[in-house]
Amino acid sequence: DAKTTQPTSMDCAEGRAANLPCNHSTISGNEYVYWYRQIHSQGPQYIIHGLKNNETNEMASLIITEDRKSSTLILPHATLRDTAVYYCIVRSGGSNYKLTFGKGTLLTVNP
Amino acid sequence: DTAVSQTPKYLVTQMGNDKSIKCEQNLGHDTMYWYKQDSKKFLKIMFSYNNKELIINETVPNRFSPKSPDKAHLNLHINSLELGDSAVYFCASSPQGGGEKLFFGSGTQLSVL
Repeated sequence: DAKTTQPTSMDCAEGRAANLPCNHSTISGNEYVYWYRQIHSQGPQYIIHGLKNNETNEMASLIITEDRKSSTLILPHATLRDTAVYYCIVRSGGSNYKLTFGKGTLLTVNP
Repeated sequence: DTAVSQTPKYLVTQMGNDKSIKCEQNLGHDTMYWYKQDSKKFLKIMFSYNNKELIINETVPNRFSPKSPDKAHLNLHINSLELGDSAVYFCASSPQGGGEKLFFGSGTQLSVL
């Protein structure tokens, strides 16, 4: 699976949009981009995933560049409860897959 | 109802002891996992079971033995505990072996003294 690069940490003001970048320049055609987050002392939580089209759900939006070498997770109106480590993961399809977590980005939402 | 539940939440024990962590999921998923998160917060897969069959074993010491009595349960038994086993262990499940979403439990913090 392709490696990802994320900033170590980011800050965001409460109520503003949080834009979390991820580089995955070695991504191949059949690899998906996944985002998970881990709030302190909790298990990781799935947020969203996509292949090449932009995706939106009740939690966030995922913007994938046309060359698929990078993506951005957008939390449209960040709240204090969105403070967490956000993981960008790239993985291929298939039945015996595994998710490989990197270091992620610590997003701190400030009041 | 908790989707993926682990017990106990905290486990403190002495070196050399044997302990078990239990995991149950009520989502009807076919695949279950154990992940380990060390003190540096790296989250690494240990095992994956699909319909009670082992499909992933990430070079984990054989002191760790997962057991899946049915597809809703995946327990982790650890023999001869060592200091380096101290970590948070997360159980997870997904609909199929290639399921898009993993659902994680809240973790078991294991401290070996």
